[in-house]
Amino acid sequence: GEDVEQSLFLSVREGDSSVINCTYTDSSSTYLYWYKQEPGAGLQLLTYIFSNMDMKQDQRLTVLLNKKDKHLSLRIADTQTGDSAIYFCAENPLDGGFKTIFGAGTRLFVKA
Amino acid sequence: GAGVSQSPSNKVTEKGKDVELRCDPISGHTALYWYRQSLGQGLEFLIYFQGNSAPDKSGLPSDRFSAERTGGSVSTLTIQRTQQEDSAVYLCASSLPWGPYNEQFFGPGTRLTVL
Repeated sequence: GEDVEQSLFLSVREGDSSVINCTYTDSSSTYLYWYKQEPGAGLQLLTYIFSNMDMKQDQRLTVLLNKKDKHLSLRIADTQTGDSAIYFCAENPLDGGFKTIFGAGTRLFVKA
Repeated sequence: GAGVSQSPSNKVTEKGKDVELRCDPISGHTALYWYRQSLGQGLEFLIYFQGNSAPDKSGLPSDRFSAERTGGSVSTLTIQRTQQEDSAVYLCASSLPWGPYNEQFFGPGTRLTVL
């Protein structure tokens, strides 16, 4: 079945790196995503990675994909208090049409 | 508007009443999604509309839930005979049908509280 799992909470100090992990089940997924949700707002696409890539870097964000283990991670370098939010991992199964499967979200707390 | 809008932003209702939640997608986005976000439950897919195709209703939790999309634009999610377990934030998203990576654009949500 389709399932995306991620830990619910992560707490880091300002300036440290944050690593948010996710596992997914559908190996057919073409794209894997990280969405960010700030308090009182909807989700916003943060970054995505195509399934034939191992790594994608975008400024302070690094996405690592291990297809063998179906493991996706998001690393935020030099974490700031403004990074405090909920981060959702998501996959787009090939046979799911445009249906995107989201994880439960990881709430990131950044301590000053 | 520039983004997805939803109304109302907050809705408090009594158990057993019907509610209607509205979503205005981004102009030109033919795909529209409804999700439910409950505390600690993550994002639960409810229903998906794509153009004139039959909607994917596979996520609707019971027959008390229904949704329609008029004219390929505005969508309404209706919950009949609300129950306390229906309390959640209901999120709407829209996307282009053939975008390279199917980015979904989310509205701010409607927080539903059933007393």
